[in-house]
Amino acid sequence: KQEVTQIPAALSVPEGENLVLNCSFTDSAIYNLQWFRQDPGKGLTSLLLIQSSQREQTSGRLNASLDKSSGRSTLYIAASQPGDSATYLCAADSWGKLQFGAGTQVVVTP
Amino acid sequence: NAGVTQTPKFQVLKTGQSMTLQCAQDMNHNSMYWYRQDPGMGLRLIYYSASEGTTDKGEVPNGYNVSRLNKREFSLRLESAAPSQTSVYFCASSEFKGFETYEQYFGPGTRLTVT
Repeated sequence: KQEVTQIPAALSVPEGENLVLNCSFTDSAIYNLQWFRQDPGKGLTSLLLIQSSQREQTSGRLNASLDKSSGRSTLYIAASQPGDSATYLCAADSWGKLQFGAGTQVVVTP
Repeated sequence: NAGVTQTPKFQVLKTGQSMTLQCAQDMNHNSMYWYRQDPGMGLRLIYYSASEGTTDKGEVPNGYNVSRLNKREFSLRLESAAPSQTSVYFCASSEFKGFETYEQYFGPGTRLTVT
């Protein structure tokens, strides 16, 4: 059974610092890995999707890498802003079903 | 496009009551999903529907039933609610991106409390 872990569970950084969020998964036979953002009391917003054949994806200040052999993905957010405060979840797609980590709660202080 | 919509947004039930959570998507996606999210945990898959007319169990299906009414709508029913079903329920649909890759899009959630 695929297990997805996100460490740390919570993170607080001052504005302007780069954020590094980690995601690990136990079964490397994944189709893709997806990163989501969740604001308090809201649904999930898809940030980046990395297909199994890709090593990374970029969108603006966000960059996500995928290393299937080591079972890891990392989300980098450059030059963090208070508006980046949210919970970030990763999900591994195994056989067409998403297995989620518990998320990393991020607070960016002005 | 409204994307994925869910009703109701909030609901309080008493133990033993029944209710149906509604979900609809206007993106012409074939696949739809129901998840629950509990504090400190990631989302867990309850049921999914790969296409109109098909449904399959996910990780935590006990106590729930689903209906794929048509391509747009996928409902989740609690026949006899229990306090353990207090949770936030999310519906999602997915778009085929090529080569076994489906990107999922989520609704705003239904916050259910069972007393």
